[in-house]
Amino acid sequence: DSGVTQTPKHLITATGQRVTLRCSPRSGDLSVYWYQQSLDQGLQFLIQYYNGEERAKGNILERFSAQQFPDLHSELNLSSLELGDSALYFCASSVVPGLNYGYTFGSGTRLTVV
Amino acid sequence: DAKTTQPNSMESNEEEPVHLPCNHSTISGTDYIHWYRQLPSQGPEYVIHGLTSNVNNRMASLAIAEDRKSSTLILHRATLRDAAVYYCIPSIGGSNYKLTFGKGTLLTVNP
Repeated sequence: DSGVTQTPKHLITATGQRVTLRCSPRSGDLSVYWYQQSLDQGLQFLIQYYNGEERAKGNILERFSAQQFPDLHSELNLSSLELGDSALYFCASSVVPGLNYGYTFGSGTRLTVV
Repeated sequence: DAKTTQPNSMESNEEEPVHLPCNHSTISGTDYIHWYRQLPSQGPEYVIHGLTSNVNNRMASLAIAEDRKSSTLILHRATLRDAAVYYCIPSIGGSNYKLTFGKGTLLTVNP
């Protein structure tokens, strides 16, 4: 157990639907990162939050949004889902932003869009 | 962005040392080199990172070339649990918060 909790572990939904993925960072970590891993694209950075504020955006689609709440947990919202959104979604956390502190990843949410 | 080149795959025998190479010839002077690994069906896991000198921790050692154009991750005694994809990731100069994963090296450990 890495200390980063992601729920649900698996999610199957239909095209056009909306889902919410949840991430609880490791205790004491203030920064949260979201990544998408698909077979053809590998691990792609989506978005980063630090203490409730958005800090950086990567290849995140406009149909996707995220937020970090006062208790530091984060949610990734995916809407108007397409077949191509099927992927593993990972959340990572770190004490503060910065690679030199090491990122701790959760075990991911596997999203299947049918 | 600093580009990396890693072998697609490597094979090792259990309890033998493993040397995983990474070329990063375009790395800038302030970029750290980070290594992560991803075991099957798990999220990536931090292994080690360094700037100029060699680094050791309980998991591995990192040997960085003097010109910093390459580095080698060393697993001193491979175990079956070390079978994973290993990613070499230079910090993206100036914005050292975004891990940019390449394709990595798939390490197979034979019993």
